[in-house]
Amino acid sequence: KQEVTQIPAALSVPEGENLVLNCSFTDSAIYNLQWFRQDPGKGLTSLLLIQSSQREQTSGRLNASLDKSSGRSTLYIAASQPGDSATYLCAGDEAAGNKLTFGGGTRVLVKP
Amino acid sequence: NAGVTQTPKFRVLKTGQSMTLLCAQDMNHEYMYWYRQDPGMGLRLIHYSVGEGTTAKGEVPDGYNVSRLKKQNFLLGLESAAPSQTSVYFCASSSTPGTGRYEQFFGPGTRLTVL
Repeated sequence: KQEVTQIPAALSVPEGENLVLNCSFTDSAIYNLQWFRQDPGKGLTSLLLIQSSQREQTSGRLNASLDKSSGRSTLYIAASQPGDSATYLCAGDEAAGNKLTFGGGTRVLVKP
Repeated sequence: NAGVTQTPKFRVLKTGQSMTLLCAQDMNHEYMYWYRQDPGMGLRLIHYSVGEGTTAKGEVPDGYNVSRLKKQNFLLGLESAAPSQTSVYFCASSSTPGTGRYEQFFGPGTRLTVL
């Protein structure tokens, strides 16, 4: 059974610093990996989807990499802003049914 | 552009009562999902559907039933609510895996408390 882990559970950085968020998974047969953002009391917003044939995806200040052989994905957020404060979740899916297995999330606080 | 919507946003039930949560999507997605989110447990898949008229069990299906009578709607039912079902419930939808990008899009959630 796929297990997804995110360490640390919480992170605090000063504004302007680059953020590095880690996600590890146990089954290298992961099909795709998706990164989400969740604000308190809100739903999940999809940030990036890395398909199985890709090694990274970029959107603005966000860059996510996927290394299936080592079982790791990393989300980079450049030049962090207070508005980036949120919980970031990664999730991997099986080939069949697109059933996501979620990590526990990393709660990020960007201090002005 | 509504995306994924959920009804109701909040609900308080007494033990043993029943209720139905409604999820609707306007993106013509084939796949729909119900998750629950609990502190310390993360998000877990309850049931999912790969198309109109189909349903399948996820990781934590006990105590829940689902129906997908229309492509755009996915209903989650609690037949006899228990305090252990106190949670935040999220619905999601995606296009069919293998047909280009098929990331999952989530609704705003339903916060359910069972007393």
